[in-house]
Amino acid sequence: GQQLNQSPQSMFIQEGEDVSMNCTSSSIFNTWLWYKQDPGEGPVLLIALYKAGELTSNGRLTAQFGITRKDSFLNISASIPSDVGIYFCAGRIQGAQKLVFGQGTRLTINP
Amino acid sequence: SQTIHQWPATLVQPVGSPLSLECTVEGTSNPNLYWYRQAAGRGLQLLFYSVGIGQISSEVPQNLSASRPQDRQFILSSKKLLLSDSGFYLCAWSPGTGINQPQHFGDGTRLSIL
Repeated sequence: GQQLNQSPQSMFIQEGEDVSMNCTSSSIFNTWLWYKQDPGEGPVLLIALYKAGELTSNGRLTAQFGITRKDSFLNISASIPSDVGIYFCAGRIQGAQKLVFGQGTRLTINP
Repeated sequence: SQTIHQWPATLVQPVGSPLSLECTVEGTSNPNLYWYRQAAGRGLQLLFYSVGIGQISSEVPQNLSASRPQDRQFILSSKKLLLSDSGFYLCAWSPGTGINQPQHFGDGTRLSIL
């Protein structure tokens, strides 16, 4: 089946640092989504990307849809304590109803 | 605006007991509906999805079943729970029109099997 490789699995950073995480696949996707999940809650959509090369920002968050359509990255600038959580990428192959999820990146921030 | 509700938020059940988790969506019609399971706070496994009333697609063979008795209602069930059914269950919806619409999640049900 289709797989998404999300890295890194974990990040431990200082408050104020920038963060970068990415997802790659051997399959071609026509949608990339980035979610954040707080403990005990459902994932919340952060950014949705629909075109190769698309670069979209949401506050301090920036995500890009890779030109090859096989990867995407998410950057967080000037991290703050409320950025702590698990970030998931998800992608949809052309014509598919289902999303494929990465395994998540757990972000921990030291004040 | 659209909202999604899941209940209960937490559930502790003995092995062999039945299960019924409910999910409802408000503010939209004919949504696509999904049930996921998440183990240990990482990785979402799609269990079932539905594109309409009475239409259920199962992704993995398991001890669970799903039903969609009404347009905006999605139910996850089991006749006899196993220890391995423990986990965090998430319901999600996406608009029924437009193939590339993102999914939106409920707050989940944490199920513990004793």
